[in-house]
Amino acid sequence: QKEVEQNSGPLSVPEGAIASLNCTYSDRGSQSFFWYRQYSGKSPELIMFIYSNGDKEDGRFTAQLNKASQYVSLLIRDSQPSDSATYLCAVRGLPGAGSYQLTFGKGTKLSVIP
Amino acid sequence: EAQVTQNPRYLITVTGKKLTVTCSQNMNHEYMSWYRQDPGLGLRQIYYSMNVEVTDKGDVPEGYKVSRKEKRNFPLILESPSPNQTSLYFCASSPYRSRLDTEAFFGQGTRLTVV
Repeated sequence: QKEVEQNSGPLSVPEGAIASLNCTYSDRGSQSFFWYRQYSGKSPELIMFIYSNGDKEDGRFTAQLNKASQYVSLLIRDSQPSDSATYLCAVRGLPGAGSYQLTFGKGTKLSVIP
Repeated sequence: EAQVTQNPRYLITVTGKKLTVTCSQNMNHEYMSWYRQDPGLGLRQIYYSMNVEVTDKGDVPEGYKVSRKEKRNFPLILESPSPNQTSLYFCASSPYRSRLDTEAFFGQGTRLTVV
């Protein structure tokens, strides 16, 4: 059973600060790593994906991947109150029976305080 | 507009009354899946389909059925709903190919209450 672990939070940061969200995964065969943002009662929306070791930046968001440590993180710079949401980490293997399943962590609730 | 469409958005039903939640995507995606989301448990996969007529169980398939007769549609069937199936349900679709950056597109969600 693949497992994806996240701290449930809530993680509270002041407006303008950096929010750091972390995720670990159990399956070493995982190939793709996604961060989704989900507002209460809404569907998840993709904000970042990464599949190579290192950092990937997109605007205020930076995803970091360390496959040796089975660790992926999301940094949000200059946090805004509109970033307050639950952030879901998801991992996926390559196409193939059973391994293409997208497995989610339980999410970290982020609260940005004005 | 690329989208995954679920219906209904909200449903209140009684125990044992069969129901179907529809899911349709217009992106020609091969892979479709159903999730349920419960407080403290996160998103859990119910069933998935890698292509037409190919379906398989996810992590929590008990009490659910699916079918994939057409590429665009993937309905979720509850033959005899019970209160423990009260949940928020999401349908999702993805292209199924070797690229690593294929994201899952989610429907708007269906909030089901079984009384």
